Amino acid sequence: QKEVEQNSGPLSVPEGAIASLNCTYSDRGSQSFFWYRQYSGKSPELIMSIYSNGDKEDGRFTAQLNKASQYVSLLIRDSQPSDSATYLCAVTILEGSYIPTFGRGTSLIVHP
Amino acid sequence: DAGVIQSPRHEVTEMGQEVTLRCKPISGHNSLFWYRQTMMRGLELLIYFNNNVPIDDSGMPEDRFSAKMPNASFSTLKIQPSEPRDSAVYFCASSLRGGWDTQYFGPGTRLTVL
Repeated sequence: QKEVEQNSGPLSVPEGAIASLNCTYSDRGSQSFFWYRQYSGKSPELIMSIYSNGDKEDGRFTAQLNKASQYVSLLIRDSQPSDSATYLCAVTILEGSYIPTFGRGTSLIVHP
Repeated sequence: DAGVIQSPRHEVTEMGQEVTLRCKPISGHNSLFWYRQTMMRGLELLIYFNNNVPIDDSGMPEDRFSAKMPNASFSTLKIQPSEPRDSAVYFCASSLRGGWDTQYFGPGTRLTVL
């Protein structure tokens, strides 16, 4: 049973701070990792993908992957109230089934 | 582009009734995905199509669920008979060439089975 674990939160950070969201996964064969943002009552929106160990930066977002420790994280620099949302982590295995496994999400609140 | 279009946006039905959810993918996208989201189970991929052909339906919960894609611009997800535990938000998404990182979600259909 593949599992993707996230702390449900809420994670509360002040505006301008760095928000750190973490995700652990159980299957060592996992190859692709995604972060989605979902505003309340809206559909998920892909914000980052990462496939190899290390950091990947895109604007204020940085995804970090450590396959040896089986975790992937998302850092949001200079957090804004508009970043307040639930962040979903998803993991896929490229060989065999392409079906991703999603975490339950972490609720992030950025307060002014 | 209008994005992924889903209908209806809300559906309330009684247990035992047939429910049909509809999706129109983004024009030019050749992959389509159906998801279900609940508080208990989170977001789950039910089935996905490439070029109108079902590729992996291992996420479909049981035989009461079926999905079709008769052409590149239309797909349906049918539940027959519906049960209260099917209550969820159902999302359709589309992408180019099956890429997970080019996937766009529709607004979802909120299904309530009484």
